[in-house]
Amino acid sequence: QVQLQESGPGLVKPSGTLSLTCAVSGGSISSSNWWSWVRQPPGKGLEWIGEIYHGGNTNYNPSLKSRISISVDKSKNQFSLKLSSVTAADTAVYYCASRPDDGVRMVFANWGQGTLVTVSS
Amino acid sequence: DIQMTQSPSTLFASVGDRVTITCRASQSISYWLAWYQQKPGKAPKLLIYKASSLESGVSSRFSGSGSGTEFTLTISSLQPEDSATYYCQQYNSYSWTFGQGTKVEIK
Repeated sequence: QVQLQESGPGLVKPSGTLSLTCAVSGGSISSSNWWSWVRQPPGKGLEWIGEIYHGGNTNYNPSLKSRISISVDKSKNQFSLKLSSVTAADTAVYYCASRPDDGVRMVFANWGQGTLVTVSS
Repeated sequence: DIQMTQSPSTLFASVGDRVTITCRASQSISYWLAWYQQKPGKAPKLLIYKASSLESGVSSRFSGSGSGTEFTLTISSLQPEDSATYYCQQYNSYSWTFGQGTKVEIK
């Protein structure tokens, strides 16, 4: 199974843009997976952010849609998240995950270890 | 948006106990319900998909049931390594939401 590793700044200023990258190893980003982002505020539950397929199709959480952009870089075997106009409420551990495009499970089967992003001045 | 409500929020049980966690959806989601286990500082781990199908490699102590709006996760004989927070997750029309979590602690 693929391994996923998040990277990016751990501190973002309010009103700025959060940018994270997820490196995919042990498999191709062009495989039959959707590539997803999920976040978890400290001490709280999980929130799905959005996902992308290698062809560029995306699905976004309606509550975040106006602020998020997810892209894929096939040459680097990675995908990225941008979240704009951040506030303290966006402080969370951000996970990347893969969702098999099997039409059967509709679940997040593999996860990265997560990276904490704090929004603070 | 479909809301997912788990109960209880926290559960205390002894090793060997049968443990049941409930997840309710705000509208019918058929069988599109999954369960995850999360230990402190770790990513969630998929346990159950399509309400009752056991993910490969997951202990058969875990089982799921339900359809429509009410679902359960059962641990048949609680083990020390099962101490964790458990989340349900629904899928509907290319959107996913999670329950608020149930923390299982060993007495």
